[in-house]
Amino acid sequence: GQNIDQPTEMTATEGAIVQINCTYQTSGFNGLFWYQQHAGEAPTFLSYNVLDGLEEKGRFSSFLSRSKGYSYLLLKELQMKDSASYLCAVMDSNYQLIWGAGTKLIIKP
Amino acid sequence: GAVVSQHPSWVICKSGTSVKIECRSLDFQATTMFWYRQFPKQSLMLMATSNEGSKATYEQGVEKDKFLINHASLTLSTLTVTSAHPEDSSFYICSAREGGEVEKLFFGSGTQLSVL
Repeated sequence: GQNIDQPTEMTATEGAIVQINCTYQTSGFNGLFWYQQHAGEAPTFLSYNVLDGLEEKGRFSSFLSRSKGYSYLLLKELQMKDSASYLCAVMDSNYQLIWGAGTKLIIKP
Repeated sequence: GAVVSQHPSWVICKSGTSVKIECRSLDFQATTMFWYRQFPKQSLMLMATSNEGSKATYEQGVEKDKFLINHASLTLSTLTVTSAHPEDSSFYICSAREGGEVEKLFFGSGTQLSVL
């Protein structure tokens, strides 16, 4: 079956760096997405990786290794507003998005 | 980026009534829209894929007669929860893809449905 694994919850300190990991097993691969979702709101797009390597976008970076079925989202200079759930999603061979359960990130002052 | 508008943001209804949720792509045409539901602390679950001018494709386990989807135009899809029950209470989210680029998937703001 298809499976996306990410930690349920992580805690980090304001100003620090945190890495959220995601491993996946899917039937085919057409890219991996990271979304940010605040409670009671819809997800907002953070990144899309389809090739191996690191993509940097401001304070957020996303890494992909297709051979390992692995990705991570790196958040630098953490701010209180970064407290949210971070969803990893993989697009399979049918272009369907398979969603992870999300990682709740708690930022402490 | 593109905007997807979803209304209402929240709705409270009595058990047995029907509720309609609208999803509009405001500045692009969306031949395909997606409907999800999300329970607290859980991930998004795809309910159905809505295709303009044709019948929606429902995921396994989703009752098509209970969750009616109509995609009458390139900018509007509606989800009607018929004869709602308390177990239908959930956060419903739509999304639409702009053009053929897979990464251009935009979400509506979601609808929190509470059935009493």
